[in-house]
Amino acid sequence: TQLLEQSPQFLSIQEGENLTVYCNSSSVFSSLQWYRQEPGEGPVLLVTVVTGGEVKKLKRLTFQFGDARKDSSLHITAAQPGDTGLYLCAGLNYGGSQGNLIFGKGTKLSVKP
Amino acid sequence: DAGITQSPRYKITETGRQVTLMCHQTWSHSYMFWYRQDLGHGLRLIYYSAAADITDKGEVPDGYVVSRSKTENFPLTLESATRSQTSVYFCASSEGRGTAGADTQYFGPGTRLTVL
Repeated sequence: TQLLEQSPQFLSIQEGENLTVYCNSSSVFSSLQWYRQEPGEGPVLLVTVVTGGEVKKLKRLTFQFGDARKDSSLHITAAQPGDTGLYLCAGLNYGGSQGNLIFGKGTKLSVKP
Repeated sequence: DAGITQSPRYKITETGRQVTLMCHQTWSHSYMFWYRQDLGHGLRLIYYSAAADITDKGEVPDGYVVSRSKTENFPLTLESATRSQTSVYFCASSEGRGTAGADTQYFGPGTRLTVL
């Protein structure tokens, strides 16, 4: 069974701080996605990375796919209270159908004003 | 309204009762998915469907039944609810293009189900 391990599980920081969350696996994925989920809502896609070593930026968020396509990181610069939420990574197997997306358990981020 | 909707948003039922959770999407997406989200387990796939009349099991299908007679609807039925099925259930849909890795999955707002 493929697993995606996310760390840390919980993160509580002050507004303005920087943070990095990690998504690791022993398996190779064809792509990795990051979703953000706010309380009482469904997850919303932030980014999809498909090339080993790829870096994508979304305003203050920077996403990186590992060279070996087994891991990914999400870095947030100058966190704001609006960044609070559950961050989920999800990986797709090579040759897998869209039904083979595997989710990590998530990192719960709290940014205090 | 456009998008993906789930009903009901909250449901309390008793052990042994049959419960059906509804999911409707207006985008004509090929793929639809049912997940459950539990503390300590994250999102786990129950069933998915690649098209009308095509369904496949996910990681945790036992105790659940799905059907997809129309592209836009994907109901999930708990035939005889158990306490272990208390969870938040999310429906999602995606286009199914898959040209560069995983498609974007669009999630509904969830149904919070409590089985007493």
